[in-house]
Amino acid sequence: GAVVSQHPSWVICKSGTSVKIECRSLDFQATTMFWYRQFPKQSLMLMATSNEGSKATYEQGVEKDKFLINHASLTLSTLTVTSAHPEDSSFYICSARGQLSGETQYFGPGTRLLVL
Amino acid sequence: AQSVTQLDSHVSVSEGTPVLLRCNYSSSYSPSLFWYVQHPNKGLQLLLKYTSAATLVKGINGFEAEFKKSETSFHLTKPSAHMSDAAEYFCVVRNYGQNFVFGPGTRLSVLP
Repeated sequence: GAVVSQHPSWVICKSGTSVKIECRSLDFQATTMFWYRQFPKQSLMLMATSNEGSKATYEQGVEKDKFLINHASLTLSTLTVTSAHPEDSSFYICSARGQLSGETQYFGPGTRLLVL
Repeated sequence: AQSVTQLDSHVSVSEGTPVLLRCNYSSSYSPSLFWYVQHPNKGLQLLLKYTSAATLVKGINGFEAEFKKSETSFHLTKPSAHMSDAAEYFCVVRNYGQNFVFGPGTRLSVLP
């Protein structure tokens, strides 16, 4: 149980385009989802926290107009990187937490984004 | 404030020998502590967690960790390393109602 999927697993796009990444909880209802960014050989950096049906809470320094997060249902959250630039290239990982999982977060497999 | 220190950025062991990955934390309250493993280009998998029950926690794949409040430590151990254990390991602390705080990670290499 407690499986989280992400789609796509990797994406290459041109500078200036927008990219949408999906995060789904497959076998539980995720009341809260988290989006992280990970640079090579570094730890995870929390970007934002989203609760179903509410606006996301962004961490300091994360541009909410650039990284649009939608948590429309208890099993789906999306991260849209708008007008992507090469510096947005990174590994994006989502995690989900449900009522039954307590405080444990279950992580997706990540999405590798490369902006040319 | 809460923080996590992983004293070793890289640990290398031979297959079949014990593994010790160190984690120290600072927290104003009684925290919850987690160990996650990340294989290359993959997401994070929960190994084990401590949430104020037994101080010795057993996880998956033969890993265990002991919560020592007096030492503010939560070291991860395994009696015998396997090649498949080679990965990045993250220690995580969380106070009630707060977000996860990740350590910088320890890369474990297992030599044949």
